[in-house]
Amino acid sequence: AQSVAQPEDQVNVAEGNPLTVKCTYSVSGNPYLFWYVQYPNRGLQFLLKYITGDNLVKGSYGFEAEFNKSQTSFHLKKPSALVSDSALYFCAVRDSTTGANNLFFGTGTRLTVIP
Amino acid sequence: SAVISQKPSRDICQRGTSLTIQCQVDSQVTMMFWYRQQPGQSLTLIATANQGSEATYESGFVIDKFPISRPNLTFSTLTVSNMSPEDSSIYLCSVEPTGGGETQYFGPGTRLLVL
Repeated sequence: AQSVAQPEDQVNVAEGNPLTVKCTYSVSGNPYLFWYVQYPNRGLQFLLKYITGDNLVKGSYGFEAEFNKSQTSFHLKKPSALVSDSALYFCAVRDSTTGANNLFFGTGTRLTVIP
Repeated sequence: SAVISQKPSRDICQRGTSLTIQCQVDSQVTMMFWYRQQPGQSLTLIATANQGSEATYESGFVIDKFPISRPNLTFSTLTVSNMSPEDSSIYLCSVEPTGGGETQYFGPGTRLLVL
């Protein structure tokens, strides 16, 4: 079975400080990992993904994430937070070995960047 | 990526009625999906909309309640039938473009309130 855990419902960070949004996953095969962001009254926007290759992946708006296989984690990071980063962030996983395309999402982490 | 539109963007419906949600993509895609996001919850896959064949439903979702059409490679509809207040959710369609690097892109969502 596939699952994703986002242990923090809420993360608060001061503007200009580094931010981290945590994600751990469980799949039986090899994971494809994704981060999406949802702004109020908007759909999900794709931020970045890990499919294969370099464990550190860079995405939109200065975000990056590091795939750590031993810790089964894929934490989202940004060196310097902006107020405009305040949104709901979802981590998602797909098992690449099952042939299924559906994504399994975490419960989301609400990021608030304080001016 | 892909540009995805959904209609309606929001609706308020009476219990016992049905609502059909449309999803339009700006390019031909093989894989289209329908998700539900209940209030304060994460996203759950309802079904995969297959062009030219019946949709594939996930556990807990049935065709009688959520009939899906996929008449061509750019369009799909999801109907929420015989609605109850428990169906109040955001319904999102997503697509996975061929050659898109395993990435799903989401529409803006349809916010449904059932009274």
